[in-house]
Parts: sequence; C-alpha cells; structure tokens
Amino acid sequence: DGGITQSPKYLFRKEGQNVTLSCEQNLNHDAMYWYRQDPGQGLRLIYYSQIVNDFQKGDIAEGYSVSREKKESFPLTVTSAQKNPTAFYLCASSIEPGGTSSPLHFGNGTRLTVT
Amino acid sequence: GDSVTQMEGPVTLSEEAFLTINCTYTATGYPSLFWYVQYPGEGLQLLLKATKADDKGSNKGFEATYRKETTSFHLEKGSVQVSDSAVYFCALSFGPGGSYIPTFGRGTSLIVHP
Repeated sequence: DGGITQSPKYLFRKEGQNVTLSCEQNLNHDAMYWYRQDPGQGLRLIYYSQIVNDFQKGDIAEGYSVSREKKESFPLTVTSAQKNPTAFYLCASSIEPGGTSSPLHFGNGTRLTVT
Repeated sequence: GDSVTQMEGPVTLSEEAFLTINCTYTATGYPSLFWYVQYPGEGLQLLLKATKADDKGSNKGFEATYRKETTSFHLEKGSVQVSDSAVYFCALSFGPGGSYIPTFGRGTSLIVHP
C-alpha cells in the first residue's frame, strides 16, 4: 500500500544536539511538507518542497533545515538553534502543487523530546 | 491573508448526539475546502472535501456544505459514536495561480461519551 512513513515514532535528544527526522513516501507525489504541532496551536508549516532539489521556508523555518535530493524523501533536521524543539512533527505530501482539490496525505508523525 | 476559524473545543457529546463543528474562512477567491481528522497519536487523514460553492462533501456519516455566501464549511454528523472522538481540522487551499499551501484551522477536539 502507498503511504508516508515517518521514523522513528519517538525520538529523544539532549539539548545542543542536531537531530534528523525521516520522511519517505511511495505515492509518487511531487509536493512534500513538514508541519509542527503543539497543543492548542494547530499545524504550523516549517518547510515545503514542490519538486526535487527545491524547497521553500514556511512560517517557522528558523532552527530547521531540509533537503530534497530524491522525490520520495524529505528529511527534516532540527538544529541546536531551534529554541523550543520538543513537539510533534508531521510530514505530508500532495499529488501536485497547485492542484486545487489535492488533499494532503500525512504520515503518523514523530514525537521529539529534547531535554 | 487567508485564514480558517474553527469553534474552540473540546466539544463533549453523548453517543448518538448530533454534531456540528463550525468552520468559517477568509480568502480572496474561491478555495477548495477540506475537513481532516486526527486520532490520538496519529497523523491527519482527509475526511471530506468540497471544491466549489454549494458542493457537499460526505464520508463516514459526516457532511459539510461549501457555503460561499456565509464563507462557511460546517461539519455535521447526525449520530456520533465513541470512535469519532478525535481532533477535527478545517482547511482551505487554492489551485494554480494562488497559494496552494493549505491553511489549517486550530483544530477542534471532539469527545464522545458512551
């Protein structure tokens, strides 16, 4: 079955360490997204990518970095510059950017805890 | 800019009660509208969508009608079940020429008691 795989489901890191969250999709979707979810704040867009080797900052990109070297992969690195990294991170994809009725397909998330 | 406003939760209901979760939007133009559902510890799943005015999206007993005149897309279900307990997100997006990046509401938590 096609879908989005995020790994690991739970991740623990010490403050000051960079950490990379994995996101892989086998849906052949062009566009991929990273969101951060905090209690009571809904979803906030970190980065998005429309095509391979191209990505754009979202609303809260500071302290994060991404790469899009392959269509199916869009890893997110949470750097030590991110002041409050503990959160639930969601990766998503859509069949095409600009598709009016294209819904997002989400992975099951990675819960990152930094102490 | 574009925005989506949802009623604040939690919404607490007894099983078999009628559900309404309000959603209104602000946008220049005519976006597509979506409802997503998130069960505990999981990602979001598309529940239903509507792409033009007066369209009704429906799935699993849930319905929502795209109302251009009131810029609303309220989610309804006639008889909720305990298994419907989740967080519901309203969202909008545009097609080519507009911002295709979806705009989400803050989510509304639904708790259904037996």
